[in-house]
Amino acid sequence: KQEVTQIPAALSVPEGENLVLNCSFTDSAIYNLQWFRQDPGKGLTSLLLIQSSQREQTSGRLNASLDKSSGRSTLYIAASQPGDSATYLCAVSNSGYSTLTFGKGTMLLVSP
Amino acid sequence: DAGITQSPRYKITETGRQVTLMCHQTWSHSYMFWYRQDLGHGLRLIYYSAAADITDKGEVPDGYVVSRSKTENFPLTLESATRSQTSVYFCASSPPGDQPQHFGDGTRLSIL
Repeated sequence: KQEVTQIPAALSVPEGENLVLNCSFTDSAIYNLQWFRQDPGKGLTSLLLIQSSQREQTSGRLNASLDKSSGRSTLYIAASQPGDSATYLCAVSNSGYSTLTFGKGTMLLVSP
Repeated sequence: DAGITQSPRYKITETGRQVTLMCHQTWSHSYMFWYRQDLGHGLRLIYYSAAADITDKGEVPDGYVVSRSKTENFPLTLESATRSQTSVYFCASSPPGDQPQHFGDGTRLSIL
């Protein structure tokens, strides 16, 4: 059974810092890995999707890497802003039907 | 507007009652999913559907029933609600293949 772990569970940083969120998974036979953002009381918003054959994806200030053999992914956020405050969730797909197994998330607070 | 809509947003009911949560998407995505989100467990897959009239169980299907007679709708029914089913329920959809899932804003369900 796939298990996904995210470290740290919570992170508080001052505005402007570069930061790294970590995700690890136990079964490396994945189709893809996805990073989501969740604001309080809201649904999940997709940030980045990395296919199993890819090493990284970038969108604006976000960069996600994937090391499938070691079962790890990192989400790098450059020049953090208070608007980045949210919970960030990592999820992996082991199924051709795109079903996802989620980590429990990292709660990020960026202070002005 | 295109998107994925869940209703109701909030629901309070009593144990033993039948409850149906609705999910409607306007993209004509073939895949749809139901997840529940609980403190300490994160998001867990309840049921998913690859197309109209095709559904399958996820990680935590007991006590739930789904149907998908039309591509755009994927209702989730709790046949006899229990307190352990108090949770936030999220519906999601995606096209097939390595595509990100799109989430609704969730239904917060309380069972007394």
